[in-house]
Amino acid sequence: AAGVIQSPRHLIKEKRETATLKCYPIPRHDTVYWYQQGPGQDPQFLISFYEKMQSDKGSIPDRFSAQQFSDYHSELNMSSLELGDSALYFCASTPRAYTEAFFGQGTRLTVV
Amino acid sequence: KQEVTQIPAALSVPEGENLVLNCSFTDSAIYNLQWFRQDPGKGLTSLLLIQSSQREQTSGRLNASLDKSSGRSTLYIAASQPGDSATYLCAVITQGGSEKLVFGKGTKLTVNP
Repeated sequence: AAGVIQSPRHLIKEKRETATLKCYPIPRHDTVYWYQQGPGQDPQFLISFYEKMQSDKGSIPDRFSAQQFSDYHSELNMSSLELGDSALYFCASTPRAYTEAFFGQGTRLTVV
Repeated sequence: KQEVTQIPAALSVPEGENLVLNCSFTDSAIYNLQWFRQDPGKGLTSLLLIQSSQREQTSGRLNASLDKSSGRSTLYIAASQPGDSATYLCAVITQGGSEKLVFGKGTKLTVNP
């Protein structure tokens, strides 16, 4: 069965650089979520999209932006990276609201 | 604001033991509760989803129960195996407009051979 695909799996960036994370949801899933998980922390909600429109926003820094494209894939753009942005970034998708969420394997971002 | 608590934070058991992981949430107005497994540095694997109208769900050696009115859920693992060693997270979606999952901090389970 198809799963949520995230790329890249690992990313190393320097401070003040920009990073772009990609997410390909399960086919026919109309909602995509982004979460950030710091070391030893629980996942924190960043932003979500339903049918290519932003549907909810969490504690996402203004330096971060995201969008969902016509093919339903989503990208998280992170600028002016800080050391504290080092974390696992997860994408999840659901077939419709309030149903089972399926997570990708995550992108491990390291800012040096 | 919804808060999810998981007890214990860590648990170490011998192989073959049955065990229970606990999850509590402060706002009982939820749509559903989902249990996940996470291996170190890896993604979240969905184990069980319980809708707010359901009392329990079973998958193999796993059984999850939900008592929405008291804000509690338990994950029961039967005949534990070393391969069950991982962090188990519960998460809820709260009624009120947001579709986001709110996670607990997880229970780190170690099953010793």
